[in-house]
Amino acid sequence: RKEVEQDPGPFNVPEGATVAFNCTYSNSASQSFFWYRQDCRKEPKLLMSVYSSGNEDGRFTAQLNRASQYISLLIRDSKLSDSATYLCVVKGTGRRALTFGSGTRLQVQP
Amino acid sequence: DAGVIQSPRHEVTEMGQEVTLRCKPISGHNSLFWYRQTMMRGLELLIYFNNNVPIDDSGMPEDRFSAKMPNASFSTLKIQPSEPRDSAVYFCASGGRDGLVRSTDTQYFGPGTRLTVL
Repeated sequence: RKEVEQDPGPFNVPEGATVAFNCTYSNSASQSFFWYRQDCRKEPKLLMSVYSSGNEDGRFTAQLNRASQYISLLIRDSKLSDSATYLCVVKGTGRRALTFGSGTRLQVQP
Repeated sequence: DAGVIQSPRHEVTEMGQEVTLRCKPISGHNSLFWYRQTMMRGLELLIYFNNNVPIDDSGMPEDRFSAKMPNASFSTLKIQPSEPRDSAVYFCASGGRDGLVRSTDTQYFGPGTRLTVL
């Protein structure tokens, strides 16, 4: 089983739609969680951290469910510029650095 | 701030040649990461350094790959000899304090080096 699993998509949604991605992780001791965004042929960039209490940044909401070992990202009122690959990222324990999921591709259509 | 700087941005070489990728992390960051990204395998961590010391190199594919960080502002990833299956985008990222976030939690990526081995 992969440490971090994501549905690769693509998710094709119309502008203005609400879309949600889930990501599961295998290590129950994982400590920190993030969503990164990667545009085509560009580097990944931090979108937001995911806190136990959930957090919101404008149209983006991230949530963590430790019992079920998944994190989610909700995008409301999607824009064409939201089209990208969204990478779920988990930090384990000890000296392990971040583990990246393979990403979920989102295509917002006019 | 200039961000993470990588060079070259593109490299085309022939099988068997030595390839050296370079990275300059963000000033003040004390962690540096080398990743490889392909369509098939996604983003893979190769090695990371903390305070110039290699901490986890379990992702380095084989002895053909080596990485060094002689000082806080420079790192290299070397492939010798290169093979066609090494073709990928190689990212360098650095980690630093960002508010309350610990140094290895938030990573800032460079633009990557696109390597093609013929």
